[in-house]
Amino acid sequence: DTGVSQDPRHKITKRGQNVTFRCDPISEHNRLYWYRQTLGQGPEFLTYFQNEAQLEKSRLLSDRFSAERPKGSFSTLEIQRTEQGDSAMYLCASSSGQMNTEAFFGQGTRLTVV
Amino acid sequence: GDSVTQMEGPVTLSEEAFLTINCTYTATGYPSLFWYVQYPGEGLQLLLKATKADDKGSNKGFEATYRKETTSFHLEKGSVQVSDSAVYFCALTLMDSSYKLIFGSGTRLLVRP
Repeated sequence: DTGVSQDPRHKITKRGQNVTFRCDPISEHNRLYWYRQTLGQGPEFLTYFQNEAQLEKSRLLSDRFSAERPKGSFSTLEIQRTEQGDSAMYLCASSSGQMNTEAFFGQGTRLTVV
Repeated sequence: GDSVTQMEGPVTLSEEAFLTINCTYTATGYPSLFWYVQYPGEGLQLLLKATKADDKGSNKGFEATYRKETTSFHLEKGSVQVSDSAVYFCALTLMDSSYKLIFGSGTRLLVRP
């Protein structure tokens, strides 16, 4: 396994367009997390899945955001009607879901909304 | 609410200098504490962790001690190298079942030869 992979690495979109990002976690991990990181800030939690179930969503995740993890494997994060304020790095992480175990991060998808 | 505060950067040091990056936290209960590092062009990587008071996490010459009395988890290294140049994030996990991470804003370290 090569770790957590995210696709695409970079995305430039026009305001109002929809975008979708994909995350492939480490195969044996049942937990998958999405975070958002803006310039000069640390990552902020958006949502997480235990297998295919989405268990928690942050207040940061507006109605324009939706995440799925069908079959408990890869996950997608969709942003509808993008706004300039959505420009950020979107990070995915996976873990075994055990207390105090390491979360492994992907390299992120950098979204720029113009 | 739960939060992490770390010193602002950038921190610029000469090679072989001593490094301290301060981190303090606010949390209910007894969180686990982490330092993650982000090298240029790479994803976040766990550097070290401590899961209870007075624990010391260590890795690659870096150390941090979980100080409950001062709610701190300062990162130290006795002799930095150019290859340590990166952004360092202090983080905690809440003691709920989500284990989601709450990060500080990051401290950029630049080590000059």
